[in-house]
Amino acid sequence: DIVMTQSPDSLTVSLGERATINCKSSQSVLYSSNNKNYLAWYQQKPRQPPKLLIYWASTRESGVPDRFSGSGSGTEFTLTISSLQAEDVAVYYCHQYYNSPHTFGQGTKLEIK
Amino acid sequence: EVQMVESGGGLVQPGGSLRLSCAASGFPFGYFWIYWVRQAPGKGLVWVSRIKTDGSGIAYADSVKGRFTISRDDAKKTLYLQMTSLRVEDTAVYYCARDAGRGGDLDYWGQGTMVTVSS
Repeated sequence: DIVMTQSPDSLTVSLGERATINCKSSQSVLYSSNNKNYLAWYQQKPRQPPKLLIYWASTRESGVPDRFSGSGSGTEFTLTISSLQAEDVAVYYCHQYYNSPHTFGQGTKLEIK
Repeated sequence: EVQMVESGGGLVQPGGSLRLSCAASGFPFGYFWIYWVRQAPGKGLVWVSRIKTDGSGIAYADSVKGRFTISRDDAKKTLYLQMTSLRVEDTAVYYCARDAGRGGDLDYWGQGTMVTVSS
């Protein structure tokens, strides 16, 4: 199974500042036939299901604010929130869907300083 | 509007059985792969099972293989998860989620149903 490791486990950032969450996979999730990374990011607020933010590592889902961006390729990925808003307090998960079983990172808890 | 609504959770003793349902609406259910993902209290997300269109391409996490059975009724737009030989460690919120059709990212999730396995 592909192991997904996020860092840090928790993060405290001031309003308006940048937040950066990292995700590393134990093997590449880049599909060579279409040059796409099978990596997604989700946001989960308390008592809510996860919400898809980013797919193919860097494509923003429809309706997601443009302060959220994803980058990286192969085995190392980053989710960046360019200017933190109060409503961004949540746990963030990366998810590889390159092969089965799909696996998730352990989550990064983002809080306001 | 896409909706996915889980039901069937509850309290069950170790070794018992439970069947979860996920009723979908607002999209052509039969054209989409659907997943079950669970989350133990205070823990992260864990992929449980997947079913492709027409009930083909079924896969399970090793932790539930042989105990859980995923199925779908496209006419009723409903996904099922039959859970047997339940263990304490199966305690979790169970979510159904729709594959977006782009390789496996999950674009719509239900609100989840809680399964508690305890004596």
